[in-house]
Amino acid sequence: DGGITQSPKYLFRKEGQNVTLSCEQNLNHDAMYWYRQDPGQGLRLIYYSQIVNDFQKGDIAEGYSVSREKKESFPLTVTSAQKNPTAFYLCASSVAGAGNYNEQFFGPGTRLTVL
Amino acid sequence: GDSVTQMEGPVTLSEEAFLTINCTYTATGYPSLFWYVQYPGEGLQLLLKATKADDKGSNKGFEATYRKETTSFHLEKGSVQVSDSAVYFCALTMNTGFQKLVFGTGTRLLVSP
Repeated sequence: DGGITQSPKYLFRKEGQNVTLSCEQNLNHDAMYWYRQDPGQGLRLIYYSQIVNDFQKGDIAEGYSVSREKKESFPLTVTSAQKNPTAFYLCASSVAGAGNYNEQFFGPGTRLTVL
Repeated sequence: GDSVTQMEGPVTLSEEAFLTINCTYTATGYPSLFWYVQYPGEGLQLLLKATKADDKGSNKGFEATYRKETTSFHLEKGSVQVSDSAVYFCALTMNTGFQKLVFGTGTRLLVSP
């Protein structure tokens, strides 16, 4: 079955540690996205990538980094510079290209708790 | 900037009740509008969409009509089920350049038997 996998589902880290969240898709999508979800708030875009080896900052990129070395993978690193990293992180992917809206398909999410 | 406003939750209903979740938007142009649903512990799924004024999106008994005059996209269902309990997000995207999704804050729906 095609889809998006995120691992792990729950992640605990000590304050000051960097942590990398995994996102893999087998939908053959060019575009991938990372969102952050906090209680009572909508999703906010952290980073996005429309093609391999290229990515752009979203609305809240500070304290995060990404890479896009393969089409299938878009890992997110939450660095110690992120002031409030505890949140639910969602990865998504879509067909790329402007014009008609390209539906974004979401993974199941990773809940990160920094102790 | 572009934004989406949803009614606060939780919305608590009994099974078979009528559901309305209000959504209004602010945008400089003519956006496409969406409703996403998030079941407990899961990611988001696209529920329905409308790409131009007066379009009606529908799926699984849910409907929403794109009203340009009132800048609204209210979600409705005639008879809710316990399995509809979830968080519902209204969202928009402008159909130019990078199609960034702008989300509302979400509305939790709780349906009791």
